[in-house]
Amino acid sequence: AQKITQTQPGMFVQEKEAVTLDCTYDTSDQSYGLFWYKQPSSGEMIFLIYQGSYDEQNATEGRYSLNFQKARKSANLVISASQLGDSAMYFCAMSQPISGNTPLVFGKGTRLSVIA
Amino acid sequence: DGGITQSPKYLFRKEGQNVTLSCEQNLNHDAMYWYRQDPGQGLRLIYYSQIVNDFQKGDIAEGYSVSREKKESFPLTVTSAQKNPTAFYLCASSIGRREAFFGQGTRLTVV
Repeated sequence: AQKITQTQPGMFVQEKEAVTLDCTYDTSDQSYGLFWYKQPSSGEMIFLIYQGSYDEQNATEGRYSLNFQKARKSANLVISASQLGDSAMYFCAMSQPISGNTPLVFGKGTRLSVIA
Repeated sequence: DGGITQSPKYLFRKEGQNVTLSCEQNLNHDAMYWYRQDPGQGLRLIYYSQIVNDFQKGDIAEGYSVSREKKESFPLTVTSAQKNPTAFYLCASSIGRREAFFGQGTRLTVV
């Protein structure tokens, strides 16, 4: 069965600094997708970044990058130049297999607080 | 604008009542999903549907029911059999291998 583990319940970061949010996953399959979502206090889920298990390059989207280490089964999110608006819950999720409309499995999340 | 609309935003349920949460999408997505989120927790899958007239149970389907009569609509009924329904409910849709898009959520409270 798929499982996502986020070991940091809460994180603090100074504005303009970079921060890494940890995510490890457990699967026996070779084909899967990894996602990061942001959830502000309003409750909506905002898609940030995607990494396929066969992608050789780490995914990047603006200030977000995904540090994908397949052998370690980790998919850490790096946010560069943190902004006050980055304060939110962040969820790592996995879909399996990589193709098809399969549900996402979510971790418990990390609450990020950006300090001015 | 394309998107997913959940209604109502807030819902109050009395003990023993069934209530239905609405989820509509105009993204032409094949798959739709319902998740439940409790405070400080991640999202847990209740039901999902990959095509019209077909749906599958998720990890916590007991006390819930769904229907998928139209591609655009995937309503969730919280029945009286669900003993602890107070939670935040999120509906999502997807197509292919790409990311799921989420609605704004419905906050259900038992009174």
